[in-house]
Amino acid sequence: QKEVEQDPGPLSVPEGAIVSLNCTYSNSAFQYFMWYRQYSRKGPELLMYTYSSGNKEDGRFTAQVDKSSKYISLFIRDSQPSDSATYLCAMGRMNRDDKIIFGKGTRLHILP
Amino acid sequence: KAGVTQTPRYLIKTRGQQVTLSCSPISGHRSVSWYQQTPGQGLQFLFEYFSETQRNKGNFPGRFSGRQFSNSRSEMNVSTLELGDSALYLCASSLEGQGLDTQYFGPGTRLTVL
Repeated sequence: QKEVEQDPGPLSVPEGAIVSLNCTYSNSAFQYFMWYRQYSRKGPELLMYTYSSGNKEDGRFTAQVDKSSKYISLFIRDSQPSDSATYLCAMGRMNRDDKIIFGKGTRLHILP
Repeated sequence: KAGVTQTPRYLIKTRGQQVTLSCSPISGHRSVSWYQQTPGQGLQFLFEYFSETQRNKGNFPGRFSGRQFSNSRSEMNVSTLELGDSALYLCASSLEGQGLDTQYFGPGTRLTVL
């Protein structure tokens, strides 16, 4: 079983819809969770960073973590064509000797 | 504050050659991590340097190597290039290390091996 699983998509949704992106993980020791957005031919950009189970909101973006189910989600409200990108989940332990584990990313297309 | 910069942005090499990529982290950041990104494998961790010492290493052959200088700038080198080394190479910097705080990525170097 891979440490982090993420559906590669592509996921196409109409402009204005709510988007739900998800990752599952197998290592219950992960302590913090991140979502990165990557536009074509660019480096990943950090969107959301959270430590605990529950929801964290930032503008149109909400990150949700369910540690009991080992499941994290990113919701995008009022989606815009500019949200079209690849979204990568990432997670790690608060340990200097550990490395962050990334999902392979979900390609998202917002249709105008 | 300037972001992470990587040079060159694009590179074309032939099999058997070697290549050196450069990364300048955000000012004050002491950790630099390198990743290889391909459509099939996603982001794969190569290695992390902190204060000029390699702290972590991924599962890549010895042809991939790196170093970090006293000003935190880092280079990675790939020797005896293979076709499968064609990828986007990303570096990311953080204050104390990828296991301790958030990373900020550069734009990447796209390497094509012919």
